[in-house]
Amino acid sequence: EPEVTQTPSHQVTQMGQEVILRCVPISNHLYFYWYRQILGQKVEFLVSFYNNEISEKSEIFDDQFSVERPDGSNFTLKIRSTKLEDSAMYFCASTQKPRAQPQHFGDGTRLSIL
Amino acid sequence: EDQVTQSPEALRLQEGESSSLNCSYTVSGLRGLFWYRQDPGKGPEFLFTLYSAGEEKEKERLKATLTKKESFLHITAPKPEDSATYLCAVQENYGGSQGNLIFGKGTKLSVKP
Repeated sequence: EPEVTQTPSHQVTQMGQEVILRCVPISNHLYFYWYRQILGQKVEFLVSFYNNEISEKSEIFDDQFSVERPDGSNFTLKIRSTKLEDSAMYFCASTQKPRAQPQHFGDGTRLSIL
Repeated sequence: EDQVTQSPEALRLQEGESSSLNCSYTVSGLRGLFWYRQDPGKGPEFLFTLYSAGEEKEKERLKATLTKKESFLHITAPKPEDSATYLCAVQENYGGSQGNLIFGKGTKLSVKP
């Protein structure tokens, strides 16, 4: 069964550094999402992406964050200058049709900011 | 105020002891309600989608139901391998939405042999 893959599984970074989290969505999916889950808290929406542009974003997704689909398979989340509070699990998800199909999630990247 | 509330936060069952998990929501228009299972260190794994009140879906020992204000995930004769955190998420129905999910905090289920 096709799946969403994320790399790396764990990223440790110094505060203030830039990080790029990578995702390969399911190949025939058109809508892509990033969510985060701070330890012990609920999963929170960050951003949705369709047709090479952001379609919706939450208050969490400020100017420090950006997303990109650099080629036909990868979908990336960049955090420009990381803060301690960015430490969390980051999940990528994709779907074929957001109104009729479920989102399928990767296993996440655990981001630890020191 | 949370838009999606799950209860209980944690549930311990003996193998074979059936029970239900609750998810209540307060979004103004519901496009869909989703149940996911999450194992430690993993991403949410899709279980069910429910779209309208009265709808029911079943998969093995799990059955999900939906009313206008809440959803239940019924677990019949659970086994230890059903131990996981069960997440409920809703999609709001408004113009321009690309389907972002609003999650509850989850119910952590432990099934003892």
